[in-house]
Amino acid sequence: AQSVTQLGSHVSVSEGALVLLRCNYSSSVPPYLFWYVQYPNQGLQLLLKYTSAATLVKGINGFEAEFKKSETSFHLTKPSAHMSDAAEYFCAEDEASGSARQLTFGSGTQLTVLP
Amino acid sequence: ETGVTQSPTHLIKTRGQQVTLRCSSQSGHNTVSWYQQALGQGPQFIFQYYREEENGRGNFPPRFSGLQFPNYSSELNVNALELDDSALYLCASSLQRTSGRNEQFFGPGTRLTVL
Repeated sequence: AQSVTQLGSHVSVSEGALVLLRCNYSSSVPPYLFWYVQYPNQGLQLLLKYTSAATLVKGINGFEAEFKKSETSFHLTKPSAHMSDAAEYFCAEDEASGSARQLTFGSGTQLTVLP
Repeated sequence: ETGVTQSPTHLIKTRGQQVTLRCSSQSGHNTVSWYQQALGQGPQFIFQYYREEENGRGNFPPRFSGLQFPNYSSELNVNALELDDSALYLCASSLQRTSGRNEQFFGPGTRLTVL
């Protein structure tokens, strides 16, 4: 089974500062990778996905992520944090489960944006 | 286009009881997956249904079972509830899950509390 590691369960940044959330995957084959955001008491919303096309993936709300095979990483960045970015962020990898496809999630990173 | 909906929003049960959670998939989606998200953790895959059959299961005991109906809606049933079953249960729908490229769309979840 694959595993996804998110370094830093809590990250705090000032409004306007760079956001960097780290994610490392374990798959030895080309992976499908996703970043989701979860606001309090809500489900998961897809920010962006990597499906082996461009290594730099742009998503919604100004977020982007870069796939680096040599580092098995898929870190999420945003140049300038906004108060509305405060939420929990999950990195996930798609893998086969029987004849199904499942998402394996990291443990999440809580992003706090300070005024 | 109607998104993924789940009912009920919240539920309180006692140990040993049984519970049924419901999910309506997004219009046009024929595959439903269920995930359990314990407090402070990432979601964990329970199982997936496609064409009314379970086609993949995570590491969950048989007391977790499900159904998918001809209209692609789904139920998650949990028997003999335990305290550790307290969690947010997320339903996700997608197009036929033969490719990891296909995005899963998540519902808002059902918060289950077991006392």
